[in-house]
Amino acid sequence: KQEVTQIPAALSVPEGENLVLNCSFTDSAIYNLQWFRQDPGKGLTSLLLIQSSQREQTSGRLNASLDKSSGRSTLYIAASQPGDSATYLCAVCPGNQFYFGTGTSLTVIP
Amino acid sequence: SQTIHQWPATLVQPVGSPLSLECTVEGTSNPNLYWYRQAAGRGLQLLFYSVGIGQISSEVPQNLSASRPQDRQFILSSKKLLLSDSGFYLCAFDGGRNQPQHFGDGTRLSIL
Repeated sequence: KQEVTQIPAALSVPEGENLVLNCSFTDSAIYNLQWFRQDPGKGLTSLLLIQSSQREQTSGRLNASLDKSSGRSTLYIAASQPGDSATYLCAVCPGNQFYFGTGTSLTVIP
Repeated sequence: SQTIHQWPATLVQPVGSPLSLECTVEGTSNPNLYWYRQAAGRGLQLLFYSVGIGQISSEVPQNLSASRPQDRQFILSSKKLLLSDSGFYLCAFDGGRNQPQHFGDGTRLSIL
């Protein structure tokens, strides 16, 4: 069974810093990997989807990379802002469903 | 554009009462539909998914059931709620295996 791990569980950084969130998964046979953002008490917002044949995807200040062979993905956030404070989750899709990590809670301090 | 609606946003129910949560999707046809439960510190647990009308797959044995009476409607139900059914329930959809998954705003269910 696919297991997804996100480390650290929580991260606090000053505004303006660049940061990296990590995601690892146990089975490299995936179709894609998706990064989400979740604000407290809200649903998940899709940030980036990386197909298994891709190495990275970019959207604005966000860049996600995928190394399928090593079972790892990173989400890079450039020039962090207080509005980036949220929980970030990654999920992998090996077939008919997504398997989620437990997330990294990010706090950006003004 | 594709949108997903989930209601109610919050619900307080007594133990033993029935449950019905509804989710509808707009702007797409034949979506894959999902119900998740999110417990604090435990991540998202997939409860049910559906690839078509009347086709429901269950991931875990539980006190809940799901139905898909129409292409873009997904309902989560229970005949008698348990205290352990409390949690944050999320509905989601995607357009296929290589499409992003999109979530509703969730329902916070409290059982008293």
